[in-house]
Amino acid sequence: DAGVIQSPRHEVTEMGQEVTLRCKPISGHDYLFWYRQTMMRGLELLIYFNNNVPIDDSGMPEDRFSAKMPNASFSTLKIQPSEPRDSAVYFCASSLGRGQVNEQFFGPGTRLTVL
Amino acid sequence: KQEVTQIPAALSVPEGENLVLNCSFTDSAIYNLQWFRQDPGKGLTSLLLIQSSQREQTSGRLNASLDKSSGRSTLYIAASQPGDSATYLCAVKTNNAGNMLTFGGGTRLMVKP
Repeated sequence: DAGVIQSPRHEVTEMGQEVTLRCKPISGHDYLFWYRQTMMRGLELLIYFNNNVPIDDSGMPEDRFSAKMPNASFSTLKIQPSEPRDSAVYFCASSLGRGQVNEQFFGPGTRLTVL
Repeated sequence: KQEVTQIPAALSVPEGENLVLNCSFTDSAIYNLQWFRQDPGKGLTSLLLIQSSQREQTSGRLNASLDKSSGRSTLYIAASQPGDSATYLCAVKTNNAGNMLTFGGGTRLMVKP
């Protein structure tokens, strides 16, 4: 398996623009997680899905952020409009909900810079 | 609310030393604890996962222990190598938090040749 795939790997955009980050989880995994990592706040969970359904989005910072999972092999995280404070590395992770193990496997991340 | 703390924040050791990284958590009602490694500019790589019913897990030169009642875990690295240089993060899955992981701030390790 290729692991969790994220695109793009780097994104530079200007304030006010829409940004879409993409994630393909490991085939067969039924949980998908979006995280954000910054120097100041460390690694924070934004939202996670189970069987394509959002379960907990309490970490989504504000309405400018939205996430979708139209099918088991694809998810997007959208920021509209983007702001400089959104600059961070965004990680996608997936896991298999087998019992309580749920070992999470992370993608390489998307480094977002909002100018 | 679960809080995870890792001490020290940074550590520098000479090659060959055995070392211990510490992780503590405030809510002992956990399902499991996971140790990750993160190289600069890269994603997280899972190293070890300890279930709440387990005391330790081993993989090669790595050994992770868990003392759930005291809210502590340690990651022991034997015979450290320069290639071990990275940031190590621990994360816990808490009983009342669904499938969410709560991460510590990480320990940045440098192993000098």
